[in-house]
Amino acid sequence: EVKLLESGGAQVQPGGSLRLSCVASGLTFNIHAMSWVRQAPGKGLEWISTIDHFRGDTYYADSVKGRFTISRDDSKNTLFLQMDSLRAEDTAIYYCAKTMYKRYFDNWGQGTLVTVSS
Amino acid sequence: QSALTQVASVSGSPGQSITISCTGTSSDVGGNNYVSWYQQHPGQAPKLLIYEVTYRPSGASDRFSGSKSGNTASLTIAGLQAEDEGDYYCASYTIRGTPVFGTGTQVTVL
Repeated sequence: EVKLLESGGAQVQPGGSLRLSCVASGLTFNIHAMSWVRQAPGKGLEWISTIDHFRGDTYYADSVKGRFTISRDDSKNTLFLQMDSLRAEDTAIYYCAKTMYKRYFDNWGQGTLVTVSS
Repeated sequence: QSALTQVASVSGSPGQSITISCTGTSSDVGGNNYVSWYQQHPGQAPKLLIYEVTYRPSGASDRFSGSKSGNTASLTIAGLQAEDEGDYYCASYTIRGTPVFGTGTQVTVL
């Protein structure tokens, strides 16, 4: 059974930084693309970033480009999201998701809450 | 990339069938066969229901089916049950090489 466990969510001030982690188990991590998807309180899902498994190519939504960095450590089955220059509108639950062919999300973690507020 | 358009809410009685639509453009829904659908219950993570327009992953109920015509994809729930209440999201791959989600539809079982 695939399990994805996010951590690192916290309350942070505007302009601050945070690093999220997602530890995967039950899968061969290094052959899958992985993504982060977020959901603001009471709002819909928003894709924000994907990292490929082959060459480590990365993709970002315009809303986070230049501020967020996705990375992975295949030796530790772990996905990361470095979030800098955080804004109030980044407040959301952040989900990591196993991503098939960079096109759809077949396994999801339970999410970690990030709150950007002074 | 703008979100795909979904009707905000749909309701039906137990046993009925309902259909949720997802409208995009030729740059996303209409331009490929990588439409997927997700179910989300309150306080829970989303769950994949349909991928590549019509395929169900193992574990997904066969009461859920997907289709597409032009720039609009649809999810049909047959034999509506109380456990089907929740939010449903479509998603599509785009010409930018990135995915985009729909605005979401809240399903209510009367």
